[in-house]
Amino acid sequence: GDSVTQMEGPVTLSEEAFLTINCTYTATGYPSLFWYVQYPGEGLQLLLKATKADDKGSNKGFEATYRKETTSFHLEKGSVQVSDSAVYFCALSLYTDKLIFGTGTRLQVFP
Amino acid sequence: DAGVIQSPRHEVTEMGQEVTLRCKPISGHDYLFWYRQTMMRGLELLIYFNNNVPIDDSGMPEDRFSAKMPNASFSTLKIQPSEPRDSAVYFCASRGGWTDTQYFGPGTRLTVL
Repeated sequence: GDSVTQMEGPVTLSEEAFLTINCTYTATGYPSLFWYVQYPGEGLQLLLKATKADDKGSNKGFEATYRKETTSFHLEKGSVQVSDSAVYFCALSLYTDKLIFGTGTRLQVFP
Repeated sequence: DAGVIQSPRHEVTEMGQEVTLRCKPISGHDYLFWYRQTMMRGLELLIYFNNNVPIDDSGMPEDRFSAKMPNASFSTLKIQPSEPRDSAVYFCASRGGWTDTQYFGPGTRLTVL
């Protein structure tokens, strides 16, 4: 079935380091892809999305490119801040009403 | 605009008691989703509604769980009787029919002693 696989965390970085969180998907068609972020004590909120191959989603310095050939949607940021510490979820939507989420990756950024 | 509203934010109860969680979706959204989040199982979809009608309840763990949506602006998730293994954060999310982006509420942290 359709699924999302994320790298296990936690990812621990120093402030201003480069961030990559890997996400790959399995789907029978061409899904829409999402990154959601969950800050401590809060609900999930949409960070960025892409709806077709080669689209790049971007927001708050984060970027992710929809790669059909590698079925990937890796999240990147050039310079992380302490305030980026959160759990990041990759998700897909394909011909249904539902989102399929990955297991989440915890990011910890230290000053 | 107000986002998704959930109440209560925290609930502590004893095993065997009835628990009712409440959700008010964003006005105009016609889909509503209930999720449960635990360390062990991650984020699980329990049930979702479209136009107040339950569409898929395959994620509801057992008969102790029930959900209703009596109108477009209100939904409840009820657990009766509650058990310690029900302790989790329960999220409600909504979306409009024109988009696939879901908007989450702040969650209800349930602790069953």
